[in-house]
Amino acid sequence: DVKVTQSSRYLVKRTGEKVFLECVQDMDHENMFWYRQDPGLGLRLIYFSYDVKMKEKGDIPEGYSVSREKKERFSLILESASTNQTSMYLCASSPIFPFTGGNQPQHFGDGTRLSIL
Amino acid sequence: SQQGEEDPQALSIQEGENATMNCSYKTSINNLQWYRQNSGRGLVHLILIRSNEREKHSGRLRVTLDTSKKSSSLLITASRAADTASYFCATVAPAGGTSYGKLTFGQGTILTVHP
Repeated sequence: DVKVTQSSRYLVKRTGEKVFLECVQDMDHENMFWYRQDPGLGLRLIYFSYDVKMKEKGDIPEGYSVSREKKERFSLILESASTNQTSMYLCASSPIFPFTGGNQPQHFGDGTRLSIL
Repeated sequence: SQQGEEDPQALSIQEGENATMNCSYKTSINNLQWYRQNSGRGLVHLILIRSNEREKHSGRLRVTLDTSKKSSSLLITASRAADTASYFCATVAPAGGTSYGKLTFGQGTILTVHP
C-alpha cells in the first residue's frame, strides 16, 4: 500500500515564525500536492509538484512556498506564519498524469493540524 | 473556486439503510472521484468514474455520473456504523487546460450511521 507520511499530526507555532511541514511518500510517485482544509471551504490546493525541483502554484499559494529536492519528499513552508494560516494541512501523492490521462487517484497523509498563536 | 458542491451537507441514518450523496459541478471534467475522510484523518480514495462512463460499482458503493446535468451521486448500500465519515467528490479537468490533472474538491457530506 502507498504510504504518505506527514512529519507532525499537531503543531503549534507563533505568529511570524518560519514553519516547515514535511511530507514523504514511499511509492515513487512523480506528483505531490499540498492542500489546506478548513470548515465550510473544503480542500484547497496550495502548491503541487510534477517532478523534483519543479513546483506550480495551486489556488491559494499566497504566504506559502514549497521545496522538492528529492522525489519522495515535498515540504511546505510558511515564510512568516500568521493566524489565518491556522488550518489542517494535507499532503497527497499520485503517479504521473500524462500516461494515465489524469485518471490516477491521489493518496493522502493523515494531515497536520497547525495552530498559529 | 469550488467545483463540486455536495448535497446534503449532513446525513444521519440507521445501520442497514442506504445513504445517497449528490455532487454537482460547473465545468467539463475528465473524471470525477469520491473520497472518504474519517474524523481527524486523511482522505481515502473510494471510486473514480470517467466522463464517458455512466455508472460504476465497487462493493457496496454505486456511483453514477450525468455529464448533461453535471452531477454525480454516491450510493452506499446496507450502511454500517463504520461508514460514518465525511464524503467528498472531486473533479479533474479535461486535458489541455491549466487545471488538468488537479483535483478540485467539494465541501463534503458528513454521514452519520447510527448502530
